[in-house]
Amino acid sequence: QVQLVQSETEVKKPGASVKVSCRASGYRFSSYGITWVRQAPGQGLEWMGWISAYNAETNYAQNFQGRVTLTTDTSTSTAYMQLTSLKSDDTAVYYCTRSHPFIEAAGTLDFWGQGTLVTVSS
Amino acid sequence: QSALTQPASVSGSPGQSITISCTGTGSDVGGDKYVSWYQEFPGKAPKLIIFEVADRPSGISNRFSGSKSANTASLTISGLQAEDEAVYYCSSFTTKKTVVFGGGTKLTVL
Repeated sequence: QVQLVQSETEVKKPGASVKVSCRASGYRFSSYGITWVRQAPGQGLEWMGWISAYNAETNYAQNFQGRVTLTTDTSTSTAYMQLTSLKSDDTAVYYCTRSHPFIEAAGTLDFWGQGTLVTVSS
Repeated sequence: QSALTQPASVSGSPGQSITISCTGTGSDVGGDKYVSWYQEFPGKAPKLIIFEVADRPSGISNRFSGSKSANTASLTISGLQAEDEAVYYCSSFTTKKTVVFGGGTKLTVL
């Protein structure tokens, strides 16, 4: 069965960076994309960006341009999300989700990781 | 990109039907077939229940149905059950090749 297993909780200081991993299993990793979504405490869902595991193409939300980098390692079926210059309002649960390998059809997020809590506090 | 507009809360009694609306613009809901709905329980990851406006993933009850008219998508849950109590989010692909979510609707089963 399809599974996305994310790395553990992180606690960071303002200004630091965080890198969250997402290991996929149960499907051909390079045939899909990975979308990252975050959810601040008590808030709704926010789309951060997408990467194709097929051709490494990326598309980022304007709110995160310049601060977020998405990568994949097809040899280990793992996706990564790095967020830099962390602020307190980056405190959130970060989810990786499976999506289409081409951006034109990447609007459906059919499987979700368990989420990684990132806390930014001095 | 502004969030899609959903009611903050809806409620219904067991056995009834409820509908949750999701309003966007011609640049997202109105212009795209990639409208999805997700169900979220407290402390759990969201789960896809409707994709491409009206399709259900395998294993999702046919009590859940989706539709769209112009810039508004809708999720209908029929035969409401206590286990349906959750937060529901809509999302849409946009003309900028991004995804925008609604603010979420909390469903209370009375």
